[in-house]
Amino acid sequence: DIQMTQSPSTLSAFVGDRVTITCRASQSISNWLAWYQQKPGKAPEVLIYRASTLESGVPSRFSGSGSGTEFTLTVSSLQPDDFATYYCQQYYTSPFTFGPGTKVDV
Amino acid sequence: QVQLVESGGGVVLRGRSPRLSCAASGFIFSSHAMHWVRQAPGKGLEWVAVISYDGSNEYYADSVKGRFTISRDNPKNTLYLQLSNLRDDDTAIYYCARDRAGTVAGIDSWGQGALVIVSS
Repeated sequence: DIQMTQSPSTLSAFVGDRVTITCRASQSISNWLAWYQQKPGKAPEVLIYRASTLESGVPSRFSGSGSGTEFTLTVSSLQPDDFATYYCQQYYTSPFTFGPGTKVDV
Repeated sequence: QVQLVESGGGVVLRGRSPRLSCAASGFIFSSHAMHWVRQAPGKGLEWVAVISYDGSNEYYADSVKGRFTISRDNPKNTLYLQLSNLRDDDTAIYYCARDRAGTVAGIDSWGQGALVIVSS
């Protein structure tokens, strides 16, 4: 099975900060990676798919990059609505594992 | 717009075999693969299972293989997850999710989830 790791596990930031989250796969997954945002008590929402394609309706301050085994999610200027937990998921092969999550708080 | 509504959750006894349902609307259900993803209280997301658009292929997480069964009824626009041999660590919110393609190409929509609490 492909293992996904994320760093950091928690990130403290301020409004306006540039924030970067890293996701690593235990083997190459090409660009078959998605990023999700989840707020407390809510279902996740997709931000990025195919590692770097912005989902329709997602603000352009979110961007994704990477391929192979290392990926990043960047928020160019953190907004109050962005304080949440972020997960990566590989969909290269089953089981389609998620990373453990990165909580972004104030 | 895409709507996914889960049902069938609640407190379930360990020896029972409940079935979760997910009613889909707002899109052509038979064109999309569908997933179940779960989240234990205070924990991260765990992918559970996926079924292809026509039901011909199913894949499972190791933690549920042989105990859970994913299925779909395309004429009824409904996804199912049959749970059996339940354990305490199956307690979680179970989310139904749509894949953006007929086979796996990434989740693009989520339901609001159904809470399953396993009790003895």
